[in-house]
Amino acid sequence: GAVVSQHPSWVICKSGTSVKIECRSLDFQATTMFWYRQFPKQSLMLMATSNEGSKATYEQGVEKDKFLINHASLTLSTLTVTSAHPEDSSFYICSARTFDEQFFGPGTRLTVL
Amino acid sequence: QQQVKQSPQSLIVQKGGISIINCAYENTAFDYFPWYQQFPGKGPALLIAIRPDVSEKKEGRFTISFNKSAKQFSLHIMDSQPGDSATYFCAASMKTSGSRLTFGEGTQLTVNP
Repeated sequence: GAVVSQHPSWVICKSGTSVKIECRSLDFQATTMFWYRQFPKQSLMLMATSNEGSKATYEQGVEKDKFLINHASLTLSTLTVTSAHPEDSSFYICSARTFDEQFFGPGTRLTVL
Repeated sequence: QQQVKQSPQSLIVQKGGISIINCAYENTAFDYFPWYQQFPGKGPALLIAIRPDVSEKKEGRFTISFNKSAKQFSLHIMDSQPGDSATYFCAASMKTSGSRLTFGEGTQLTVNP
């Protein structure tokens, strides 16, 4: 099956710093990537849809200035959490779409101290 | 109308038994129904998916049953194994919304040895 990687797998940072998370489709090209956030024992919450070469589309309630998304190529999308605070601590997961299927990355655990 | 309702929230099954998880949706425009398996600290993995023109799809021990008139679909895991213990999410999407997935709330499956 299609493989999606994320880097880093976990990150701990101080409050006020920015953190960048990379999402790569390793063996296919993805015109669309999605970013999700997941709290413990909860479902995935879609944050934004990222299309290569265009601005991301954010879900209602998601601060676009706080969660910067860049989809620079058909295999790479990045999520930057700017001025992170403890309430941003969560499990961030990306997915990449090929045809109708979405393949998910392994996730990034962000802890903001 | 965008919601997907999933039940039960948790399920305990004995090894060798059948695990059944149910989902219901409202939006008849949904045209793709995948199931994902997620282990703790990992991203979801696509398990099996079905389209509305098919009433059943089987892959190994996993079967999706789809009832278009009732707007329900279910996952059956035959001969359940302890290694199947994970959280299962149903989802639905439609091409007209860019294949954005709407997830169910998740089912925590525990298979006892």
